[in-house]
Amino acid sequence: QKEVEQNSGPLSVPEGAIASLNCTYSDRGSQSFFWYRQYSGKSPELIMFIYSNGDKEDGRFTAQLNKASQYVSLLIRDSQPSDSATYLCAVNMVGELVFGQGTRLTINP
Amino acid sequence: SQTIHQWPATLVQPVGSPLSLECTVEGTSNPNLYWYRQAAGRGLQLLFYSVGIGQISSEVPQNLSASRPQDRQFILSSKKLLLSDSGFYLCAWSVRWDYNEQFFGPGTRLTVL
Repeated sequence: QKEVEQNSGPLSVPEGAIASLNCTYSDRGSQSFFWYRQYSGKSPELIMFIYSNGDKEDGRFTAQLNKASQYVSLLIRDSQPSDSATYLCAVNMVGELVFGQGTRLTINP
Repeated sequence: SQTIHQWPATLVQPVGSPLSLECTVEGTSNPNLYWYRQAAGRGLQLLFYSVGIGQISSEVPQNLSASRPQDRQFILSSKKLLLSDSGFYLCAWSVRWDYNEQFFGPGTRLTVL
């Protein structure tokens, strides 16, 4: 069973705070993990990928991966109103990119 | 750099009518191509994928079909649309099957009435 689980939210975070988005997956053999941002009415945009255990930082975004716990997260520091969107976690499972349902994030000014 | 195009951007069709959605990729050769559907308030559902010209794999049984007549062209079709075919249709491409980093086109919003 190929499953990627995310809290659907909505997650509400004040401007300037850290937003934390979480994702768990079912396939222990998965090797690549992705975070997409999707604004309302638009297509998903790839913002982060991570392949190794630990943290990967890119600007205000940090992806964290723990393969033993089958857990991947995305931290957004200094959250801005423009970060308000739905964030999709995707996991590569045997050649298929399996998506979670997405977490809706709202940044409050 | 690579660019992916989809058209039309929006489409309103009556039940029972045919459908043809087109996707083209620029700036890369022999990409893996994908069709997804996103229904309102739901996740992304993989419909078809293709690793080369004329090679189509279907993920779910349905009244839709896909074709890849050229290396960078992917077409989604139906002979007779159903109400349940309404949704946001997304084309995506990747170059590495192992890591499968996929990039999406702008999408086509289809409403079947």
